[in-house]
Amino acid sequence: NAGVMQNPRHLVRRRGQEARLRCSPMKGHSHVYWYRQLPEEGLKFMVYLQKENIIDESGMPKERFSAEFPKEGPSILRIQQVVRGDSAAYFCASSPGASGYNEQFFGPGTRLTVL
Amino acid sequence: AQTVTQSQPEMSVQEAETVTLSCTYDTSESDYYLFWYKQPPSRQMILVIRQEAYKQQNATENRFSVNFQKAAKSFSLKISDSQLGDAAMYFCAFCSFNNNDMRFGAGTRLTVKP
Repeated sequence: NAGVMQNPRHLVRRRGQEARLRCSPMKGHSHVYWYRQLPEEGLKFMVYLQKENIIDESGMPKERFSAEFPKEGPSILRIQQVVRGDSAAYFCASSPGASGYNEQFFGPGTRLTVL
Repeated sequence: AQTVTQSQPEMSVQEAETVTLSCTYDTSESDYYLFWYKQPPSRQMILVIRQEAYKQQNATENRFSVNFQKAAKSFSLKISDSQLGDAAMYFCAFCSFNNNDMRFGAGTRLTVKP
């Protein structure tokens, strides 16, 4: 059973471009979480999705950021018109059920660098 | 809102010795889960140990154990017989029973000296 997969592992974008980060959850997991980690900081929750639904996006910036988890395919975190402050590591986690009771398994992360 | 505080940005331990990493949290909830994650230079988040708040018994995983003090809202991690491979960032995390987002502390960087 493959773990949580994220791609790309490294992404470089110039200011104003769009960044698309992909996350494939573990087989059998229908709950996906996105976190952002700034340098020398802990992970900050962004959004929690189930298939085709956004359950909690309280940690997501109101502008330029969006996330989806379609019926088929990976979850996508999309950042439009990136700025230097978006440079961070973005982690995806998945679980088989609502978290707390169910362990979240983390992917290896995508390191976004905005030039 | 729940907050997690790790007051030790850096800690150092001699190989084979024991080290304790501190974590406190703030919540008004009675049911929740606490975690310690390890993040080595590869940046992969690895679950070290987990504690359910309703359990009084402290969780233990081989050389890793916790001291969970619910009334004090304290959740420290003890690493016994430290090994060079234990060197990493360690994050304490809180997850409430009802919400699904995990709250992380700022982390403690552990150095293991040979």
